[in-house]
Amino acid sequence: SQQGEEDPQALSIQEGENATMNCSYKTSINNLQWYRQNSGRGLVHLILIRSNEREKHSGRLRVTLDTSKKSSSLLITASRAADTASYFCGAGGGNKLTFGTGTQLKVEL
Amino acid sequence: GAVVSQHPSRVICKSGTSVKIECRSLDFQATTMFWYRQFPKKSLMLMATSNEGSKATYEQGVEKDKFLINHASLTLSTLTVTSAHPEDSSFYICSARTGTRGINEQFFGPGTRLTVL
Repeated sequence: SQQGEEDPQALSIQEGENATMNCSYKTSINNLQWYRQNSGRGLVHLILIRSNEREKHSGRLRVTLDTSKKSSSLLITASRAADTASYFCGAGGGNKLTFGTGTQLKVEL
Repeated sequence: GAVVSQHPSRVICKSGTSVKIECRSLDFQATTMFWYRQFPKKSLMLMATSNEGSKATYEQGVEKDKFLINHASLTLSTLTVTSAHPEDSSFYICSARTGTRGINEQFFGPGTRLTVL
């Protein structure tokens, strides 16, 4: 599997529900970054968590990082239709980010 | 927040021609810029990393003579796809960050859709 692999590949929920996406990576990192991408557009930076941090919050977003399991999760609370997008994690090692294939989130009214 | 622009947003060209894509950091100085390629419903594949004033570092399997990268200033990097072929059709995205070391967010441009006929 690739560095920075997201799970599930697709997720469909109702507006107001929480959405949880997971990311696994293979090698050592110094940070992990989550991004959102709307169809045909660039990536929007959501949140960065450093390797010495375990949890971070930003608005409706909550990110956890477990370096012993080489995994991270992104929780979006009280989802909205506007949250419909693809979400990618970028595993940061050295100067680079390595991305997985993303989770496609669909939030239905 | 940090804004990165790309131009053009879409380009259609004939096979054999060259196409230049610009990436600009609008409100910060980008000492490092990255070029990615993304296929439909796929991950972003890092093509190369460029630091201002020095040659780009290409990832394994990326032809440096085909994908020319220039990072001439702290706010501009260009990617030129030379002698484009239909298999070069893709979504190209650049990103920029400040500094060459340490932990910094990468800020992405809106992408350029290249279609080679």
